Amino acid sequence: GAVVSQHPSRVICKSGTSVKIECRSLDFQATTMFWYRQFPKQSLMLMATSNEGSKATYEQGVEKDKFLINHASLTLSTLTVTSAHPEDSSFYICSAKTGAETQYFGPGTRLLVL
Amino acid sequence: AQKITQTQPGMFVQEKEAVTLDCTYDTSDPSYGLFWYKQPSSGEMIFLIYQGSYDQQNATEGRYSLNFQKARKSANLVISASQLGDSAMYFCAMREGWSGGGADGLTFGKGTHLIIQP
Repeated sequence: GAVVSQHPSRVICKSGTSVKIECRSLDFQATTMFWYRQFPKQSLMLMATSNEGSKATYEQGVEKDKFLINHASLTLSTLTVTSAHPEDSSFYICSAKTGAETQYFGPGTRLLVL
Repeated sequence: AQKITQTQPGMFVQEKEAVTLDCTYDTSDPSYGLFWYKQPSSGEMIFLIYQGSYDQQNATEGRYSLNFQKARKSANLVISASQLGDSAMYFCAMREGWSGGGADGLTFGKGTHLIIQP
């Protein structure tokens, strides 16, 4: 199957700082990538859809100014959590879609904001 | 109303037995896709199987099969001959609308924690 990587896998930061998470499709081109958030023992919630070369589409309730998404190439999308606060601590996971139906997920990034 | 409902928060199954994980969905869109993912404790989401709303036959992938009952809006996952390595969280998910139609993000159920006992 297609391989998606994320970096970093874990990050700890101080409250008020910004954190950038990268999502890469390693062996395919992804015109669309997705960002999800998963709180402990809960399900994944879609945050935004990232389209290469255009603005991301955010789900209702997700602050676009706080979660900046850039999809600069067909293999890379970045999520920047700006002015992070403890309530932003979560597991952030991206997925990328090939031309077929399936979305392949990255390994996720665990963010802890102190 | 929840779009994806998984009614089994947890299940214990003996090794080598077959397992059925329940999933019901709610959509008014005639075109949709249904997915099952496995999430081990490491957190990665592993794709298992896909069923399109217009697919005539139930999807199968190795030991995984999807029991698709469209009229009941049910998409249960069946794992045959369970193994210890099958222990994980299992999520049912749905994509509404045509693939590539701009709304391909998935809606997930709350998951079922499956534990395979030796």
